[in-house]
Amino acid sequence: KAGVTQTPRYLIKTRGQQVTLSCSPISGHRSVSWYQQTPGQGLQFLFEYFSETQRNKGNFPGRFSGRQFSNSRSEMNVSTLELGDSALYLCASSREFGGRKGYTFGSGTRLTVV
Amino acid sequence: AQKITQTQPGMFVQEKEAVTLDCTYDTSDQSYGLFWYKQPSSGEMIFLIYQGSYDEQNATEGRYSLNFQKARKSANLVISASQLGDSAMYFCAMREQGAGSYQLTFGKGTKLSVIP
Repeated sequence: KAGVTQTPRYLIKTRGQQVTLSCSPISGHRSVSWYQQTPGQGLQFLFEYFSETQRNKGNFPGRFSGRQFSNSRSEMNVSTLELGDSALYLCASSREFGGRKGYTFGSGTRLTVV
Repeated sequence: AQKITQTQPGMFVQEKEAVTLDCTYDTSDQSYGLFWYKQPSSGEMIFLIYQGSYDEQNATEGRYSLNFQKARKSANLVISASQLGDSAMYFCAMREQGAGSYQLTFGKGTKLSVIP
């Protein structure tokens, strides 16, 4: 079956711009989580959505936002980009409680802010 | 305080040898889950193995096993018979069952290099 699909794979943006990243979960998975990965901070949780509702949010500024659509696809948006937003953004999907198989991750979107 | 600590930034292992990657965790929850993920240079996080806090047996998945010592709060990953394709970053992660239970907290990772 198809895995978690993230688009685009690579992105270069200028400071001050905004960006939208997309994530299509595995069919039947209703939970979508987003993580930011940087060399300095490692993997950090951004937010998690289930049935179009944000259930949990990490410690990130309000410039980071997301949403989930009725087909479980999710988008995250970063406004007013800063150089420090350069990172690999990973999306993960799971059935409601993840269970023993945890979360299936996509290959990520590598964002570079210049 | 760090919730997940991986003390080995980098490890080398000879092909076909076994290797142990360390992970200690900190939580006050009684119910929690521990995960190990592999991240090759392509970036995708690949699920390897899971251990629940109430599991009485150590988890095993093929060449991967988890040495779970609850009292010491450690969950070390053992890879037997290392292969060249095992070269990657390895992350230990925890999901707590209390508030905010829909997220994973990750360690900083260990870079494993398998030498032919």
